[in-house]
Amino acid sequence: AQSVSQHNHHVILSEAASLELGCNYSYGGTVNLFWYVQYPGQHLQLLLKYFSGDPLVKGIKGFEAEFIKSKFSFNLRKPSVQWSDTAEYFCAVTTRGFQKLVFGTGTRLLVSP
Amino acid sequence: DAGVTQSPTHLIKTRGQQVTLRCSPKSGHDTVSWYQQALGQGPQFIFQYYEEEERQRGNFPDRFSGHQFPNYSSELNVNALLLGDSALYLCASSLRLQALNTEAFFGQGTRLTVV
Repeated sequence: AQSVSQHNHHVILSEAASLELGCNYSYGGTVNLFWYVQYPGQHLQLLLKYFSGDPLVKGIKGFEAEFIKSKFSFNLRKPSVQWSDTAEYFCAVTTRGFQKLVFGTGTRLLVSP
Repeated sequence: DAGVTQSPTHLIKTRGQQVTLRCSPKSGHDTVSWYQQALGQGPQFIFQYYEEEERQRGNFPDRFSGHQFPNYSSELNVNALLLGDSALYLCASSLRLQALNTEAFFGQGTRLTVV
């Protein structure tokens, strides 16, 4: 069965600090990878996605993620966080054919001004 | 362009009761999936509906059932509610034809509290 691990459950950063959130998945086949963000009181929104091609993908709001197939990883990065990035971040995977999304447990990010 | 809408936003039920949650998919989408998000956890897949049939199911008991209507909207029903069913229930819609490279759009969820 597929699973997704997010190593950091809570992260606290100051504004302008760099961010990297880890995500590892377990599945031997071809996968699609996603990062979703949930701002306080809002619905899950897609930050970025990887289907194929360039393993470095850029998303909204200055976020990017790198797919490293050999490490089964899809880490999320942002060079300089803002207070408005305070949210919960979820990594998710689905196999081709899109049957279901398997989510990690999430990382709660708090950015202090 | 309407996104995914869910109703109600909040609900309080008593143990043993039954509940129905509703979802309207994003315009143009034909597939609806339901997820349960317990406090401090990531969303867990309940089931997916396409062409009014349940296509795949996660590890949830038969107390959880669903329905999809011809207009692609969907309902999630939970019978014999338990305290552990308290969670945020999320609906996600997608377009089946783009199955290889599709993404899901989520509603704001229904917060169910069982007392």
